[in-house]
Amino acid sequence: GAGVSQTPSNKVTEKGKYVELRCDPISGHTALYWYRQSLGQGPEFLIYFQGTGAADDSGLPNDRFFAVRPEGSVSTLKIQRTERGDSAVYLCASSPQITGELFFGEGSRLTVL
Amino acid sequence: DQQVKQNSPSLSVQEGRISILNCDYTNSMFDYFLWYKKYPAEGPTFLISISSIKDKNEDGRFTVFLNKSAKHLSLHIVPSQPGDSAVYFCAAPAGGGSNYKLTFGKGTLLTVNP
Repeated sequence: GAGVSQTPSNKVTEKGKYVELRCDPISGHTALYWYRQSLGQGPEFLIYFQGTGAADDSGLPNDRFFAVRPEGSVSTLKIQRTERGDSAVYLCASSPQITGELFFGEGSRLTVL
Repeated sequence: DQQVKQNSPSLSVQEGRISILNCDYTNSMFDYFLWYKKYPAEGPTFLISISSIKDKNEDGRFTVFLNKSAKHLSLHIVPSQPGDSAVYFCAAPAGGGSNYKLTFGKGTLLTVNP
């Protein structure tokens, strides 16, 4: 497909477990973003990659959250010791350059029991 | 501190009529605004944008108006169609060197009734 692909689409886990969420951006897009959307809220910025490096990770809520993009394409968002408050839809987006016109994936819905 | 506010959680209109979705912002440094549309179980999709040097931008049935003095923008959809039923988010880049960082409002659920 030509769009941003995110897996899994749904993830249910238990409190304290480790979770990985994957994002495959649109081919050729150098910029990649992770946002989190909690119930009743708009998406909130987590982290931005330009190429392989995290240019801005100021939106990550705490050190349990980490993201990588080792080859400048696929990115993985990693959450350690999950808490119930981490339950949300995690949205990945990409763009060919720094622009507000982001192309979002369908999101990964994380539920922490 | 919510810098982008959409105070109407929902709006219902009849097919063929005008839909007006409102957005207020508090940060006077914002100089570019975007509207995104989101269907259930899908990611947001870009709809239309406006730069602060303009007060209006039109794209087909969609027009965005910007009132800088009031820190207010609105999205007009005319005529509204049932397929327009979705959540609409207003967003603004942080500005300066951080244009990649969008601040979103909470969204307005638009329902267009046939």
